[in-house]
Amino acid sequence: EIVMTQSPATLSVSPGERATLSCRASQSVNNNLAWYQKKPGQAPRLLIYGASTRATGIPARFSGSGSGTEFTLTISSLQSEDFAVYYCQQYNYWLTFGGGTKVEIK
Amino acid sequence: QLQLQESGPGLVKPSETLSLTCTVSGDSIISSYYYWGWIRQPPGKGLEWIGSIYYSGTTYYSPSLESRVTISAVTSRNQLSLKVTSVTAADTAVYYCARIRGGGHVDYWGQGTLVTVSS
Repeated sequence: EIVMTQSPATLSVSPGERATLSCRASQSVNNNLAWYQKKPGQAPRLLIYGASTRATGIPARFSGSGSGTEFTLTISSLQSEDFAVYYCQQYNYWLTFGGGTKVEIK
Repeated sequence: QLQLQESGPGLVKPSETLSLTCTVSGDSIISSYYYWGWIRQPPGKGLEWIGSIYYSGTTYYSPSLESRVTISAVTSRNQLSLKVTSVTAADTAVYYCARIRGGGHVDYWGQGTLVTVSS
């Protein structure tokens, strides 16, 4: 099983600031990586797939980068609606998710 | 507009079988472009893929759950089903039905249904 490790577990950021979230795979997943946003009581929302392709309707302030084992999700200027938990997911071999990064208001 | 709606008992006794149905509207589950699957999230924990089914009927299961899980499709009703046998408290979770693009990312999710395993 490919293990996905996200860091940090919690990120405290002020509105308008930049947030950088990391995701590491226990072995290469090529660019078969997605990012999701999850808010309490809601279903996850696809943000990024293919490591760097924004899903339909996702604002340009969300960007993804990386390949192989190291990936990054960057939110360039945090808006109030962006405070949530973010998950990475690999789909190179079956599907596994990271433990999540909670982005909270500083 | 694609919609996925999970349904089933919210409470299941330990050692019994958890059964859920997902009704899909706005797309056909026999489309060759997608897989359909189930993902769960235990309270306070992360997301866990349970398994997927392709329009051909081929199924794929998480190795950690494979011995207890069955996913099937009722194409005439455009529904998916999930069965998990011999449940324990560790199976308590919100269960999501999902549409999975060919690559493996989930582009549509149901709203989820909470299943609690308790006597």
